[in-house]
Amino acid sequence: GAVVSQHPSWVICKSGTSVKIECRSLDFQATTMFWYRQFPKQSLMLMATSNEGSKATYEQGVEKDKFLINHASLTLSTLTVTSAHPEDSSFYICSALGDTAYEQYFGPGTRLTVT
Amino acid sequence: DQQVKQNSPSLSVQEGRISILNCDYTNSMFDYFLWYKKYPAEGPTFLISISSIKDKNEDGRFTVFLNKSAKHLSLHIVPSQPGDSAVYFCAASGNQEKLVFGQGTRLTINP
Repeated sequence: GAVVSQHPSWVICKSGTSVKIECRSLDFQATTMFWYRQFPKQSLMLMATSNEGSKATYEQGVEKDKFLINHASLTLSTLTVTSAHPEDSSFYICSALGDTAYEQYFGPGTRLTVT
Repeated sequence: DQQVKQNSPSLSVQEGRISILNCDYTNSMFDYFLWYKKYPAEGPTFLISISSIKDKNEDGRFTVFLNKSAKHLSLHIVPSQPGDSAVYFCAASGNQEKLVFGQGTRLTINP
């Protein structure tokens, strides 16, 4: 149980285009999902907290107009990187909150490369 | 401001021996600590956790120790197996809020 999927697993896009990444909880409902970003050899940095039916809460320094988050259902959250630039190239990971505040189930991640 | 630090980027251990991964934190409000294991191109998977009211939690080959006065926790894996080779992240949370992750330690188990 508690499986989280992400799609796509990797994507290459041209600078200036937008990319949408999906995060799904496959066998449970998640009212709260998290989006992280990981640079090589660095820790996972929380970007935003996504709550079903309401606006996402962004961490300090994360541009909400650039990283659009939509949590339209209890099993799906999407992250759209708008007008992507090479510096947005990174590994993006989502997680879904389980029954307790500490249980987070992570997706496999999406490798984004902006050329 | 790195609130959770894993000062060893890598660790190499002989198969069958004990692996000890360390983690330090600065925020005294943290009351729950977790260890995650991560393989390349995959998301982290939960390994073991400990509440601040305890100083030790054991699950099979994995034991986590917490020293609150030193703001230090460690993960012990014994005996170490080749499948344990991965990146290990410690994470901390305060008052059931967001997780703060360390930088990770790459563990390599040598046959």
